[in-house]
Amino acid sequence: GAGVSQTPSNKVTEKGKYVELRCDPISGHTALYWYRQSLGQGPEFLIYFQGTGAADDSGLPNDRFFAVRPEGSVSTLKIQRTERGDSAVYLCASSPGGMSGYTFGSGTRLTVV
Amino acid sequence: KNEVEQSPQNLTAQEGEFITINCSYSVGISALHWLQQHPGGGIVSLFMLSSGKKKHGRLIATINIQEKHSSLHITASHPRDSAVYICALQGAQKLVFGQGTRLTINP
Repeated sequence: GAGVSQTPSNKVTEKGKYVELRCDPISGHTALYWYRQSLGQGPEFLIYFQGTGAADDSGLPNDRFFAVRPEGSVSTLKIQRTERGDSAVYLCASSPGGMSGYTFGSGTRLTVV
Repeated sequence: KNEVEQSPQNLTAQEGEFITINCSYSVGISALHWLQQHPGGGIVSLFMLSSGKKKHGRLIATINIQEKHSSLHITASHPRDSAVYICALQGAQKLVFGQGTRLTINP
Protein backbone atom coordinates (compact mmCIF):
# COMPACT_ATOMS: atom_id res chain seq x y z
CA GLY A 1 0.00 0.00 0.00
CA ALA A 2 0.89 3.66 -0.07
CA GLY A 3 1.70 3.94 3.61
CA VAL A 4 2.01 2.02 6.85
CA SER A 5 -1.39 0.77 7.91
CA GLN A 6 -2.24 -0.05 11.51
CA THR A 7 -5.40 -1.75 12.67
CA PRO A 8 -7.48 -1.26 14.64
CA SER A 9 -7.11 2.49 15.07
CA ASN A 10 -8.73 2.25 18.50
CA LYS A 11 -9.11 -0.68 20.83
CA VAL A 12 -10.82 -0.75 24.21
CA THR A 13 -10.39 -3.93 26.20
CA GLU A 14 -10.98 -5.14 29.70
CA LYS A 15 -8.15 -5.76 32.11
CA GLY A 16 -6.88 -9.30 31.79
CA LYS A 17 -7.91 -9.77 28.17
CA TYR A 18 -5.66 -10.62 25.21
CA VAL A 19 -5.23 -8.17 22.33
CA GLU A 20 -3.55 -8.22 18.94
CA LEU A 21 -2.43 -5.11 17.09
CA ARG A 22 -1.61 -5.30 13.41
CA CYS A 23 0.88 -3.41 11.29
CA ASP A 24 1.00 -3.58 7.50
CA PRO A 25 4.23 -1.90 6.37
CA ILE A 26 5.12 -0.38 3.05
CA SER A 27 5.71 -3.12 0.50
CA GLY A 28 9.37 -3.99 0.26
CA HIS A 29 10.40 -2.38 3.53
CA THR A 30 12.55 -4.94 5.30
CA ALA A 31 12.76 -3.15 8.64
CA LEU A 32 9.72 -2.84 10.91
CA TYR A 33 9.57 -1.19 14.30
CA TRP A 34 7.05 -1.11 17.13
CA TYR A 35 6.99 1.83 19.55
CA ARG A 36 4.71 2.71 22.46
CA GLN A 37 3.73 6.27 23.31
CA SER A 38 2.15 7.21 26.60
CA LEU A 39 0.29 10.48 27.01
CA GLY A 40 2.64 13.46 26.96
CA GLN A 41 5.71 11.34 26.29
CA GLY A 42 7.85 10.58 23.29
CA PRO A 43 7.59 7.13 21.72
CA GLU A 44 9.53 4.34 23.40
CA PHE A 45 11.10 1.49 21.48
CA LEU A 46 9.58 -1.97 21.84
CA ILE A 47 10.93 -4.25 19.11
CA TYR A 48 12.59 -4.16 15.71
CA PHE A 49 12.32 -6.71 12.91
CA GLN A 50 14.72 -7.15 10.05
CA GLY A 51 12.87 -9.43 7.69
CA THR A 52 11.14 -12.18 9.62
CA GLY A 53 13.40 -12.15 12.66
CA ALA A 54 13.32 -9.92 15.70
CA ALA A 55 16.69 -8.20 15.55
CA ASP A 56 16.19 -6.36 18.82
CA ASP A 57 13.38 -7.00 21.33
CA SER A 58 15.05 -5.27 24.25
CA GLY A 59 12.22 -2.75 24.60
CA LEU A 60 9.46 -5.26 25.31
CA PRO A 61 8.51 -4.48 28.92
CA ASN A 62 7.80 -8.05 30.06
CA ASP A 63 6.83 -11.49 28.82
CA ARG A 64 3.19 -10.47 28.34
CA PHE A 65 4.30 -8.70 25.18
CA PHE A 66 5.21 -10.61 22.04
CA ALA A 67 5.46 -9.72 18.37
CA VAL A 68 5.74 -11.72 15.18
CA ARG A 69 6.39 -11.08 11.52
CA PRO A 70 6.14 -14.56 10.01
CA GLU A 71 6.46 -13.68 6.33
CA GLY A 72 8.60 -10.56 6.63
CA SER A 73 5.71 -8.25 5.86
CA VAL A 74 2.73 -7.84 8.22
CA SER A 75 3.55 -7.80 11.92
CA THR A 76 1.33 -8.47 14.90
CA LEU A 77 1.99 -7.19 18.40
CA LYS A 78 0.35 -9.43 20.98
CA ILE A 79 -0.36 -8.45 24.57
CA GLN A 80 -1.54 -11.07 27.06
CA ARG A 81 -3.35 -10.41 30.34
CA THR A 82 -3.61 -6.70 29.62
CA GLU A 83 -3.14 -4.23 32.46
CA ARG A 84 -4.34 -0.64 32.76
CA GLY A 85 -0.73 0.51 32.47
CA ASP A 86 -0.62 -0.93 28.96
CA SER A 87 -2.93 1.86 27.80
CA ALA A 88 -1.01 3.88 25.21
CA VAL A 89 -0.72 4.55 21.50
CA TYR A 90 1.18 1.75 19.79
CA LEU A 91 3.05 3.00 16.75
CA CYS A 92 4.51 1.01 13.91
CA ALA A 93 7.12 2.25 11.46
CA SER A 94 8.84 0.69 8.48
CA SER A 95 11.99 1.47 6.58
CA PRO A 96 13.86 0.11 3.58
CA GLY A 97 16.81 -0.22 5.95
CA GLY A 98 20.24 1.32 6.14
CA MET A 99 20.27 5.11 6.20
CA SER A 100 16.81 5.45 4.66
CA GLY A 101 14.07 7.32 6.48
CA TYR A 102 11.11 5.90 8.34
CA THR A 103 7.41 5.91 7.56
CA PHE A 104 5.08 5.78 10.52
CA GLY A 105 1.58 4.43 10.80
CA SER A 106 -1.21 6.38 12.49
CA GLY A 107 -1.01 4.17 15.54
CA THR A 108 -3.43 2.06 17.53
CA ARG A 109 -4.82 3.69 20.66
CA LEU A 110 -5.21 0.94 23.24
CA THR A 111 -7.30 1.59 26.32
CA VAL A 112 -7.45 -1.03 29.04
CA VAL A 113 -10.39 -0.53 31.41
CA LYS B 1 20.16 11.42 32.14
CA ASN B 2 18.18 11.09 28.92
CA GLU B 3 20.18 10.53 25.77
CA VAL B 4 18.16 13.24 24.02
CA GLU B 5 16.76 16.43 25.47
CA GLN B 6 14.44 18.87 23.75
CA SER B 7 13.71 22.45 24.65
CA PRO B 8 11.38 24.06 25.21
CA GLN B 9 8.81 21.46 26.22
CA ASN B 10 5.99 23.84 25.38
CA LEU B 11 6.01 26.87 23.12
CA THR B 12 3.21 29.29 22.35
CA ALA B 13 3.68 32.02 19.75
CA GLN B 14 1.73 34.37 17.53
CA GLU B 15 1.18 33.76 13.87
CA GLY B 16 4.10 35.00 11.82
CA GLU B 17 6.76 34.56 14.49
CA PHE B 18 10.05 32.76 13.87
CA ILE B 19 10.17 29.53 15.86
CA THR B 20 13.20 27.61 17.11
CA ILE B 21 13.09 24.20 18.77
CA ASN B 22 16.30 22.72 20.13
CA CYS B 23 17.56 19.18 20.54
CA SER B 24 20.70 18.16 22.44
CA TYR B 25 22.01 14.65 22.69
CA SER B 26 24.79 12.80 24.43
CA VAL B 27 25.52 9.73 22.32
CA GLY B 28 27.04 8.99 18.93
CA ILE B 29 24.50 8.86 16.14
CA SER B 30 24.33 8.01 12.47
CA ALA B 31 21.53 10.51 11.83
CA LEU B 32 19.00 12.71 13.57
CA HIS B 33 15.33 12.95 12.63
CA TRP B 34 12.81 15.72 13.13
CA LEU B 35 9.23 14.47 13.22
CA GLN B 36 5.82 16.14 13.47
CA GLN B 37 2.86 14.70 15.33
CA HIS B 38 -0.61 16.25 15.21
CA PRO B 39 -3.15 15.54 17.97
CA GLY B 40 -4.69 12.13 17.41
CA GLY B 41 -2.59 11.68 14.30
CA GLY B 42 0.37 9.67 13.27
CA ILE B 43 3.93 10.84 12.97
CA VAL B 44 5.22 12.55 9.85
CA SER B 45 8.92 12.59 9.06
CA LEU B 46 10.14 16.14 8.37
CA PHE B 47 13.90 15.78 8.08
CA MET B 48 16.69 13.27 8.43
CA LEU B 49 20.07 14.92 9.00
CA SER B 50 23.59 13.64 9.37
CA SER B 51 25.34 16.97 8.86
CA GLY B 52 24.78 20.61 7.94
CA LYS B 53 21.41 22.03 7.11
CA LYS B 54 18.24 21.11 5.24
CA LYS B 55 15.34 23.29 4.14
CA HIS B 56 11.83 22.36 3.08
CA GLY B 57 9.40 25.20 2.54
CA ARG B 58 9.22 27.22 5.76
CA LEU B 59 11.05 24.58 7.76
CA ILE B 60 14.81 24.55 8.30
CA ALA B 61 16.78 21.96 10.25
CA THR B 62 20.42 22.24 11.27
CA ILE B 63 22.78 19.92 13.07
CA ASN B 64 26.19 20.41 14.67
CA ILE B 65 27.73 16.97 15.12
CA GLN B 66 30.66 18.23 17.21
CA GLU B 67 28.38 20.00 19.67
CA LYS B 68 25.74 17.23 19.54
CA HIS B 69 23.00 19.77 18.91
CA SER B 70 20.26 20.25 16.35
CA SER B 71 17.65 22.94 15.80
CA LEU B 72 14.38 23.05 13.93
CA HIS B 73 13.27 26.47 12.72
CA ILE B 74 9.90 27.53 11.36
CA THR B 75 9.69 30.82 9.50
CA ALA B 76 6.44 32.81 9.18
CA SER B 77 4.66 30.43 11.56
CA HIS B 78 1.00 29.62 10.96
CA PRO B 79 -1.70 28.07 13.18
CA ARG B 80 -1.57 24.91 11.07
CA ASP B 81 2.01 24.44 12.31
CA SER B 82 0.59 23.68 15.76
CA ALA B 83 1.72 20.17 16.62
CA VAL B 84 4.24 18.24 18.68
CA TYR B 85 7.71 18.28 17.17
CA ILE B 86 9.94 15.37 18.08
CA CYS B 87 13.68 14.93 17.72
CA ALA B 88 14.81 11.32 17.32
CA LEU B 89 18.31 9.87 17.28
CA GLN B 90 19.19 7.11 14.85
CA GLY B 91 21.78 4.67 16.09
CA ALA B 92 22.72 1.40 14.48
CA GLN B 93 19.15 0.20 14.27
CA LYS B 94 16.40 1.85 16.26
CA LEU B 95 15.29 5.41 16.92
CA VAL B 96 15.53 7.01 20.34
CA PHE B 97 12.94 9.75 20.73
CA GLY B 98 12.95 12.97 22.65
CA GLN B 99 9.88 13.89 24.68
CA GLY B 100 8.71 16.37 22.09
CA THR B 101 7.98 20.08 22.00
CA ARG B 102 4.33 21.09 21.94
CA LEU B 103 4.01 24.10 19.65
CA THR B 104 0.89 26.25 19.59
CA ILE B 105 0.60 29.07 17.08
CA ASN B 106 -2.20 31.52 17.83
CA PRO B 107 -3.85 33.50 15.02
